This record gives sequence, C-alpha cells and structure tokens, in this order.
Amino acid sequence: DQQVKQNSPSLSVQEGRISILNCDYTNSMFDYFLWYKKYPAEGPTFLISISSIKDKNEDGRFTVFLNKSAKHLSLHIVPSQPGDSAVYFCAASDRSGGSNYKLTFGKGTLLTVNP
Amino acid sequence: NAGVMQNPRHLVRRRGQEARLRCSPMKGHSHVYWYRQLPEEGLKFMVYLQKENIIDESGMPKERFSAEFPKEGPSILRIQQVVRGDSAAYFCASSPSQGYNSGNTIYFGEGSWLTVV
Repeated sequence: DQQVKQNSPSLSVQEGRISILNCDYTNSMFDYFLWYKKYPAEGPTFLISISSIKDKNEDGRFTVFLNKSAKHLSLHIVPSQPGDSAVYFCAASDRSGGSNYKLTFGKGTLLTVNP
Repeated sequence: NAGVMQNPRHLVRRRGQEARLRCSPMKGHSHVYWYRQLPEEGLKFMVYLQKENIIDESGMPKERFSAEFPKEGPSILRIQQVVRGDSAAYFCASSPSQGYNSGNTIYFGEGSWLTVV
C-alpha cells in the first residue's frame, strides 16, 4: 500500500522553462511534506518543506504547493537549470503522536533539464 | 563541518555472510535514523536511535537485522546471514533533536550500497 505516490517516473524540460513535479498521498494524517533531490550514488538532499497549515511555500526558484482537499502537492522549479537534473522524492510525515521523524517517501521522479 | 558519514560506500557480501554498515552523525547530532532503498523504490524508514537507545524499530525486518548507537563511536546497522533481497542502498540520517519541527531538519548521508551475490 503506497501512501505517497509520484506517478510520473520521469520528466524532461527545456532549460529556462518551468518544471512541475507532482505528488499524491492517501494518508490524511500526514501533516508535513518535504521534497528531496538526489543525484546518483549520493544521499537525498533536503530542498523545501511545507506544513499542512499552509498551501504554499517558496524558496528561491523552488515553490511547493499543497492542496489538502485533493491530497496533492507539487514542486515548481522556475527557471529550470541543467544542474537541477536529478531524482526528486516527495516525502510525508505524520507528526502527531510523536512520530515526527518517520518519513514516507514516494518512488521518485527523474527530472532531466535539457540545455 | 562534516556531514553524515557512512562507510563502507560499497559492500559486496556472499549469501549467508554478515554485513555491517557504519554511520557517524553530523557533529552535535545525537539522533540517528536508518532508511533502506530497494531498487526502483523510495526510501523506507527502518529504525530511529539515540545514544544507547533504540527509540523506534518498527521498520526493521523481524529477523537478521539489528542496529545500535553506542555511547562512543558510530551507529551500526548489522545484517546477519544476508540474502539477495537485502541488496539495497542503506541511508543513515541525523538531526540535533528529534524529527522534523520548526528549525530542525534531518540530514542524510551518501549511503552504503550493499550487493549480495
């Protein structure tokens, strides 16, 4: 039972354009969401997060949108750069009950930004 | 300020052997987490430890897997009698206090890739 789903295994975008990565979740108890970026043979690197009390969080070129009613979040990268090419993981946490350390990850989306 | 250090980066074991993966958290971090990534999958939580204590091992397989974080030295994930299905990337992460909250983030190491032949 996959509680965090990234339905697009891959995405290809032209440099300078917008990249939109999508993520859906099924567990309504999730209240904190994160995006991680991962290069081959390296560990995940934290990008941006959002609490369920917000619907948008922005950090430079990265913006995360959360639609709680649809149980959907998305990561927007504008403008996309070739160095953004990596696997992006969506992750979620249910922080109630003290389990604020346990992340549930999606399978990832491979983003390729073409020069 | 060194990040989370994991070793070995790559480990090859024959079926039935033991695998030991080590993790040194970032300086000042006393909370350690282990995750496993099977091929074509996302990372899955295994265990959360503080110094000399296992806080949550709900993601650990019931047999052959154990983890420790001694008072001195790195955290160790131990897999006994490895099987081919144990082949995966094992990621360690650390944080200065428990979990995700305002101002606190969990940082991942570069991973240890275990191949069982």
